[in-house]
Amino acid sequence: DGGITQSPKYLFRKEGQNVTLSCEQNLNHDAMYWYRQDPGQGLRLIYYSQIVNDFQKGDIAEGYSVSREKKESFPLTVTSAQKNPTAFYLCASAPGGETQYFGPGTRLLVL
Amino acid sequence: GENVEQHPSTLSVQEGDSAVIKCTYSDSASNYFPWYKQELGKRPQLIIDIRSNVGEKKDQRIAVTLNKTAKHFSLHITETQPEDSAVYFCAASISGGYNKLIFGAGTRLAVHP
Repeated sequence: DGGITQSPKYLFRKEGQNVTLSCEQNLNHDAMYWYRQDPGQGLRLIYYSQIVNDFQKGDIAEGYSVSREKKESFPLTVTSAQKNPTAFYLCASAPGGETQYFGPGTRLLVL
Repeated sequence: GENVEQHPSTLSVQEGDSAVIKCTYSDSASNYFPWYKQELGKRPQLIIDIRSNVGEKKDQRIAVTLNKTAKHFSLHITETQPEDSAVYFCAASISGGYNKLIFGAGTRLAVHP
């Protein structure tokens, strides 16, 4: 999982602002995922992608958007429509099988 | 859809004791069950996983058991150490397709010296 990077480590969002979280992997993994983790809770799936230019909504996709223009990159945009964005955001990637490996996470805070 | 329940939510043990965390899943088609360990503020790290064609798997002090009939699986940690203190998550998925993992809510394990 050392080959998965997320930036920034901390991100501050102002009211009505869109912000983009970066996720990059150099593991040549096909699948990539975005999760949201709230304090003391489990991981909830936002979006996932199996191949370039294809992605699917997860359980809590409202207020978020993604793109998958390159195999290595899967950025997540938190839009102004997401009214409660404060959380720890985790990106993961997986080879053809099931095992997912996580990046170090981005903590998003609202000003 | 798949649902995964995890118990207990908190677990406190003395160093050297064993710890057991249990999860149940709802979709009988699930066939892959990983366990992740997450230390405070860090990423979840895979510690062990099991597939449905296996009933038990061990890795040093950690073992996972799977009962497909009852649709539950458990994590066993023996000879616990303070560095085992963390939040542990179970998950379940169906192989093929997009391999969506459904996570349990987590168990906070505290190992006291």
